[in-house]
Amino acid sequence: GDSVTQMEGPVTLSEEAFLTINCTYTATGYPSLFWYVQYPGEGLQLLLKATKADDKGSNKGFEATYRKETTSFHLEKGSVQVSDSAVYFCALNIQGGSEKLVFGKGTKLTVNP
Amino acid sequence: ETGVTQTPRHLVMGMTNKKSLKCEQHLGHNAMYWYKQSAKKPLELMFVYNFKEQTENNSVPSRFSPECPNSSHLFLHLHTLQPEDSALYLCASSQGEAGGIQYFGAGTRLSVL
Repeated sequence: GDSVTQMEGPVTLSEEAFLTINCTYTATGYPSLFWYVQYPGEGLQLLLKATKADDKGSNKGFEATYRKETTSFHLEKGSVQVSDSAVYFCALNIQGGSEKLVFGKGTKLTVNP
Repeated sequence: ETGVTQTPRHLVMGMTNKKSLKCEQHLGHNAMYWYKQSAKKPLELMFVYNFKEQTENNSVPSRFSPECPNSSHLFLHLHTLQPEDSALYLCASSQGEAGGIQYFGAGTRLSVL
């Protein structure tokens, strides 16, 4: 079945450090890929998405590139801030299929001043 | 404000109680979802409604009973729950098409004593 695997957390960084959170997927079709973020005490919100191979999603300084050859969608940010502390979820949805999302387990990021 | 409102935000109930969770979306979406978020586990999709019709039930125990009276409102009726049902329950909505973005509420934190 379709699945998403993301790196185990928690991840702790100092402010202005470089961030990478790895995400790989298994899918039978051609999925759309998403990163969602959950700030403390809130629900999930979309951070960025990509719908086809080689697409790059970007938002708030975060980027992720849809790599079909490696079935990956790694999240990166060049310089993290304390306000980026949150849980990050990688997810996929099969195009042409239902509207369901398949989520990874989430990676908790803590950024210290 | 995400456009998806969940009430109550916190709920404590005994195993013999009956309670209901409410979700309301103001985004004009056609699909609504219930998810369960437990510590150290992936987000679990429970139910999907599309145009008020239930299209997904992921083997959820019958002590959870969803209701979708219209496209804007979704309820989760709870009765005779177990302590392991304690979790954050998230509601989401979307346009309902594959590859679409889901918009989440802030969740209801449920504790079953």
